[in-house]
Amino acid sequence: VVLTQSPATVSVSPGEWATLSCRASQSVGGNLAWYQQKPGQVPRLLTYSASTRAPGLPARFSGAGSGTDFTLTITSLQSEDFAIYYCQQYNDWPLTFGGGTKVEMK
Amino acid sequence: EVQLVESGGGLVQSGGSLRLSCAASGFTFSNYWMHWVRLTPGGGLVWVSRTKNDGSTTWGADSVKGRFTISRDNAKDTMYLQMNSLTAEDTGVYYCARETVTRGQYYMDVWGRGTTVTVSS
Repeated sequence: VVLTQSPATVSVSPGEWATLSCRASQSVGGNLAWYQQKPGQVPRLLTYSASTRAPGLPARFSGAGSGTDFTLTITSLQSEDFAIYYCQQYNDWPLTFGGGTKVEMK
Repeated sequence: EVQLVESGGGLVQSGGSLRLSCAASGFTFSNYWMHWVRLTPGGGLVWVSRTKNDGSTTWGADSVKGRFTISRDNAKDTMYLQMNSLTAEDTGVYYCARETVTRGQYYMDVWGRGTTVTVSS
């Protein structure tokens, strides 16, 4: 399953919203997770089952979608949210990741 | 504190071998299935391999079959990735990650900081 993330880069000011897209080449049901990675840091699980937040994740992060189209929305971006975000499907083997979306400060 | 710490990366010539280790702490390692994931120089994440909690069953990406072997020693709370016949395409940061299952949904909820593998041609 090929996961295509868009846009590749999004420039956002602190306090604004960002919506990241992940499209699958075939249906993955609801079997999709989102991860955040900052340079030199450990990847962090954000959501799984398309929309279930990981423990401790701030409410400004929300995942949605099913089948082939998924989104991760970050409302009121904070400075610590500027990072690369990856989607990953676990419906079919091999597990695959999207190419990532970089959220940068405008 | 739940933690995974990778080690064993380095610079190796094409065709060479490396053995990566992933030391777990803060949780019952033997209860969890585990993964290796590579971050490529281009910034993409690539799933490499997976092992069942008791090591009896393993899976690997097609690109590493016959070259990489995942294993674990639950008595030492450690997982390994034996990498042979390395090529430049294997270059990257290798992460180990813990798999957690919740109501049939499985995901990688704990990751290590990674160890860097550079294969020179």
